[in-house]
Amino acid sequence: AQKVTQAQTEISVVEKEDVTLDCVYETRDTTYYLFWYKQPPSGELVFLIRRNSFDEQNEISGRYSWNFQKSTSSFNFTITASQVVDSAVYFCALRGTSNQFYFGTGTSLTVIP
Amino acid sequence: KAGVTQTPRYLIKTRGQQVTLSCSPISGHRSVSWYQQTPGQGLQFLFEYFSETQRNKGNFPGRFSGRQFSNSRSEMNVSTLELGDSALYLCASSLSLTTGTGANVLTFGAGSRLTVL
Repeated sequence: AQKVTQAQTEISVVEKEDVTLDCVYETRDTTYYLFWYKQPPSGELVFLIRRNSFDEQNEISGRYSWNFQKSTSSFNFTITASQVVDSAVYFCALRGTSNQFYFGTGTSLTVIP
Repeated sequence: KAGVTQTPRYLIKTRGQQVTLSCSPISGHRSVSWYQQTPGQGLQFLFEYFSETQRNKGNFPGRFSGRQFSNSRSEMNVSTLELGDSALYLCASSLSLTTGTGANVLTFGAGSRLTVL
């Protein structure tokens, strides 16, 4: 079975704080892909990152960084020095060898100025 | 280039009616997927179309149907609407099927928000 769990439903931080969004996945596939999407209030999901199961290197893109650990089946997302524009719902997703994406239920992030 | 376009953006229907939602993918994208987003369930996969054929279907009743045209545009239809069908319906396009050796990135539209009264 494929499953993505985002245990944090809502998070509030004060601007400039760092925040980590957790994502735990379940799959029996040996080859799979993990994604993060951002959904601002406008509703359109915006692609942030894609990683495959064979690449456990952490990635940094500006204030964003991702920590992929197969040993704990986690793909966590950290925003450094958060800004008000980071306020959105963030979704983690999994695609294995089946034909569809499995999304977590999302984490709503509010950055307070 | 233009993104994924969904119409209408908002609509209100009453129970028992039917609704048709439209999705125009990014030019050159041949795969279109539909998702239902509700506060309690998150994003639930409805179906995926490629080359005018439904290639995959989620766990939704037969009241939910879709199709894809030769220009890759897609429509989904919900018949005999129920209160629980109130949701944001998201369409996503990708270059090809979300299968195979590469996981194509889904590009989403802004969604159609359906309210059933």
